[in-house]
Amino acid sequence: GAGVSQSPSNKVTEKGKDVELRCDPISGHTALYWYRQSLGQGLEFLIYFQGNSAPDKSGLPSDRFSAERTGGSVSTLTIQRTQQEDSAVYLCASSFGWNTEAFFGQGTRLTVV
Amino acid sequence: QKEVEQDPGPLSVPEGAIVSLNCTYSNSAFQYFMWYRQYSRKGPELLMYTYSSGNKEDGRFTAQVDKSSKYISLFIRDSQPSDSATYLCAMRDIQGAQKLVFGQGTRLTINP
Repeated sequence: GAGVSQSPSNKVTEKGKDVELRCDPISGHTALYWYRQSLGQGLEFLIYFQGNSAPDKSGLPSDRFSAERTGGSVSTLTIQRTQQEDSAVYLCASSFGWNTEAFFGQGTRLTVV
Repeated sequence: QKEVEQDPGPLSVPEGAIVSLNCTYSNSAFQYFMWYRQYSRKGPELLMYTYSSGNKEDGRFTAQVDKSSKYISLFIRDSQPSDSATYLCAMRDIQGAQKLVFGQGTRLTINP
């Protein structure tokens, strides 16, 4: 597809379980971002990948959160031992470079019960 | 103090009105500015992108940047009910951290 693709679109998980969220960026885009949006709130930065550089992990809220980007394309955000406060929409964006427009996917709505 | 401040609203105006949405910021290194529109339960959609002071127009939308005042605006002319959404400003600096920093978003309703 032409846009940023995220899967699954919705995920319900039990507290304490691990979850993996996937992001397929736009082809050729070297920069990839993960954000979190809680109900009625703005976007909270989580992590940023740019090419082969070390990722900027400064927004990850705890060591239960991790992300990787394989082959400079697909990215996976993993949340271990999920907590109810992790419930949010997780958004992925990509851009051609750090100084160009960023385009978002539709997000993964995570609910921890 | 947040790096980017945006009035969360909600803002409600009649159809056809001119809407002004604003953000202020504190980091003088911010050089790239974006406006996103987000409909309920959807991802943010890029509306405008600019990297210089002044105005940029696209149809009914005008983005305005005043770097000296650290203030950006989005104007919507001839507003339509379909413009009802949350509008998010975002910005990025040219050195150091390259992440996008967002405002809280303004919820806008256009009443027919």
